[in-house]
Amino acid sequence: DQQVKQNSPSLSVQEGRISILNCDYTNSMFDYFLWYKKYPAEGPTFLISISSIKDKNEDGRFTVFLNKSAKHLSLHIVPSQPGDSAVYFCAAVSNTGKLIFGQGTTLQVKP
Amino acid sequence: DAGVIQSPRHEVTEMGQEVTLRCKPISGHDYLFWYRQTMMRGLELLIYFNNNVPIDDSGMPEDRFSAKMPNASFSTLKIQPSEPRDSAVYFCASSPSLGGYTFGSGTRLTVV
Repeated sequence: DQQVKQNSPSLSVQEGRISILNCDYTNSMFDYFLWYKKYPAEGPTFLISISSIKDKNEDGRFTVFLNKSAKHLSLHIVPSQPGDSAVYFCAAVSNTGKLIFGQGTTLQVKP
Repeated sequence: DAGVIQSPRHEVTEMGQEVTLRCKPISGHDYLFWYRQTMMRGLELLIYFNNNVPIDDSGMPEDRFSAKMPNASFSTLKIQPSEPRDSAVYFCASSPSLGGYTFGSGTRLTVV
């Protein structure tokens, strides 16, 4: 039973355009969310997070939006760069404090 | 700090053999996590430790899997006997608290 879902396995965008990665969750008790980025042959690294008291958090080219009523969050990357090509994981912090990850979305940014 | 160190980076073994994956967490981190990455389910939490004590092993798939943390600087994940469906990338992560994880580079396990 997947509590955090990333329904798009892959996404391809042109350099300079916006990348939008989506994530849905099922547990309304989740109150903190994170995005991790993973390059091949490396472990995931923390990218950006958002608390449920906010609906938006921005860090440079990266913005995460949270829609609590829809149990949906998204990561926007603008402008996208070829170096952003990676697997992006959405994660939620459970009520016991552990991270529950989605399946991941592979982003390819074409030059 | 060298970060979270996992070994080996790659492991190829025959079905039925015992496999041991190793992890050295970041010094001072009280939490250690073992995750498995598959295409279908993404990153699945297998087990995590707090101060060397297993807290939640509900993600361990079956009795063939076991994990230990004999001290604050070392943990192992063992699969005995291994099966082809265990083939995946296994990540270890450590954290000073719940939520702020640092991952190792992973061990890619192939069981043939």
